[in-house]
Amino acid sequence: DAGITQSPRYKITETGRQVTLMCHQTWSHSYMFWYRQDLGHGLRLIYYSAAADITDKGEVPDGYVVSRSKTENFPLTLESATRSQTSVYFCASSDPGQVSRYGYTFGSGTRLTVV
Amino acid sequence: GESVGLHLPTLSVQEGDNSIINCAYSNSASDYFIWYKQESGKGPQFIIDIRSNMDKRQGQRVTVLLNKTVKHLSLQIAATQPGDSAVYFCAEKEAAGNKLTFGGGTRVLVKP
Repeated sequence: DAGITQSPRYKITETGRQVTLMCHQTWSHSYMFWYRQDLGHGLRLIYYSAAADITDKGEVPDGYVVSRSKTENFPLTLESATRSQTSVYFCASSDPGQVSRYGYTFGSGTRLTVV
Repeated sequence: GESVGLHLPTLSVQEGDNSIINCAYSNSASDYFIWYKQESGKGPQFIIDIRSNMDKRQGQRVTVLLNKTVKHLSLQIAATQPGDSAVYFCAEKEAAGNKLTFGGGTRVLVKP
């Protein structure tokens, strides 16, 4: 299916465990982003990537790791989950020529609960 | 009317009335602006955009107004419907780059 997909849709994990959230897009967009959204708040950028093998920190990167070995995938790993990382995580993608026409396209989100 | 809730500002509007959602942006160098709609349990979706060389743009039932003098953006929804209940975000893009900066969002509740 074309588009941007996130998995899993819901995840419950225990404090201290490692968990990876997956993001896959089929448009070959060069830009990919990870945001977290906490209840009643806006979007905060965790990490972004301008192309394969190029990643950079956003506003709230601590406790997270990303990789981008392939253009279409941008996994987000919580190395040792903490309760403060309970949130809804959104992946987004775009291309340089599309940002000023369509902005970013977002996935449906992963709701992560750390207990 | 508009009220500040515990987290997001909330706009309660009667079905059929017009809604106006406001956004103050921070960067005078921004050249492109977007309004996103986020329904419960879904990701943000593009509604309408406007470039800095315009002051008004209309879509289907939605109009975006841009006032660069006071760095203010607004989204008007005509004849608000129950399906318009959502959180609305503004986003701005600086002319020199390709990164969007998102506003905090406003929740719109449509009363039947």
